[in-house]
Amino acid sequence: AQTVTQSQPEMSVQEAETVTLSCTYDTSESDYYLFWYKQPPSRQMILVIRQEAYKQQNATENRFSVNFQKAAKSFSLKISDSQLGDAAMYFCAYRSAYGGSQGNLIFGKGTKLSVKP
Amino acid sequence: DTEVTQTPKHLVMGMTNKKSLKCEQHMGHRAMYWYKQKAKKPPELMFVYSYEKLSINESVPSRFSPECPNSSLLNLHLHALQPEDSALYLCASHPTLGVRSYNEQFFGPGTRLTVL
Repeated sequence: AQTVTQSQPEMSVQEAETVTLSCTYDTSESDYYLFWYKQPPSRQMILVIRQEAYKQQNATENRFSVNFQKAAKSFSLKISDSQLGDAAMYFCAYRSAYGGSQGNLIFGKGTKLSVKP
Repeated sequence: DTEVTQTPKHLVMGMTNKKSLKCEQHMGHRAMYWYKQKAKKPPELMFVYSYEKLSINESVPSRFSPECPNSSLLNLHLHALQPEDSALYLCASHPTLGVRSYNEQFFGPGTRLTVL
């Protein structure tokens, strides 16, 4: 069974600075996707960034980028130029590429990010 | 239209009440999900529907009864709930299952349920 581990329950960053959230996972599959979701106090789960396991190039979306280390099974999220609106709960999630019969997302426990003005 | 809508946003109910949560999407997605989320925890999968058929029931108590009347609509019927069922209930959708798909699950904003 696949597992996702986020070892940082809480993180804090100064506005305009850079922060990195950690995520490790365990799987025996070779074809899968990894996601970072953001959940602000408004509750809506929003996709931040995704990575396909077969792509060596790290995904980037504006101020958000990942460091994907497939051999180490590590998938960290870097937020550059942090903004107050980045404050939220961040969940790392895993999904098999073919989705099986469920397409289930396997979530980590989450990291609560605070941004200080 | 790239969103999942959920109604109501908030619901307070007694343990003897019967209520329903509604989820709707018009993206043509064929997989829909119900999750339960407690505060500061990740979402926990409850049910998965694939092509309007129940695909997964994660050993959810029978006081929760899902229904998928059509490909755009997902309901969760609630009856005789307990206070520990108070949580945020999230609905999500995905284009399809069983084929390789790069797409993420799209989440609704959730229904905050309080059981008194």
